[in-house]
Amino acid sequence: QKEVEQNSGPLSVPEGAIASLNCTYSDRGSQSFFWYRQYSGKSPELIMFIYSNGDKEDGRFTAQLNKASQYVSLLIRDSQPSDSATYLCAVTSSYKLIFGSGTRLLVRP
Amino acid sequence: DTAVSQTPKYLVTQMGNDKSIKCEQNLGHDTMYWYKQDSKKFLKIMFSYNNKELIINETVPNRFSPKSPDKAHLNLHINSLELGDSAVYFCASSQDPSGGQETQYFGPGTRLLVL
Repeated sequence: QKEVEQNSGPLSVPEGAIASLNCTYSDRGSQSFFWYRQYSGKSPELIMFIYSNGDKEDGRFTAQLNKASQYVSLLIRDSQPSDSATYLCAVTSSYKLIFGSGTRLLVRP
Repeated sequence: DTAVSQTPKYLVTQMGNDKSIKCEQNLGHDTMYWYKQDSKKFLKIMFSYNNKELIINETVPNRFSPKSPDKAHLNLHINSLELGDSAVYFCASSQDPSGGQETQYFGPGTRLLVL
């Protein structure tokens, strides 16, 4: 089974700070990379996807991909208490989406 | 308008019973999925259907049987429920059969508790 690894956290940051969430994956053939946000008791919702090496920005969110290092990250600028959730990294492998176990983010007011 | 809906939202049942969970999507997607999320929040794919055809069947006990009557519906039947089946079951859908190039949209989940 191919793996996706994330630090479970919690990652605690003050309001307004930058939150940095990291993910490594084992399948070098993976082509697509996703970040989902999951609030407690709710379903995962897509935050960003990235296919190419480099950075992709969408509002306060930036996804970074380094295929050589098999590393994906998500930066959240100007973190808000409403960003407190579990962030799931997901990677395609053999036409399946493999999820990490998630990093819990806490944004302190 | 709910994009991906599941029923029931909560299911509490006894060991040994048989139960079904239903999923419907109104997004016009070709591919639907069932995921299981355990108590440690680990989300793992179980099955995937594309246009009513089974394309992914992970190592899941054969007590679990998916059925897709049409491409907008994917149901999950579970026989002889066990304590370890307690989890949240999510249905999802996407447009791309590879399941990778397009966003997967998740339903609200069905919280199953086996006593």
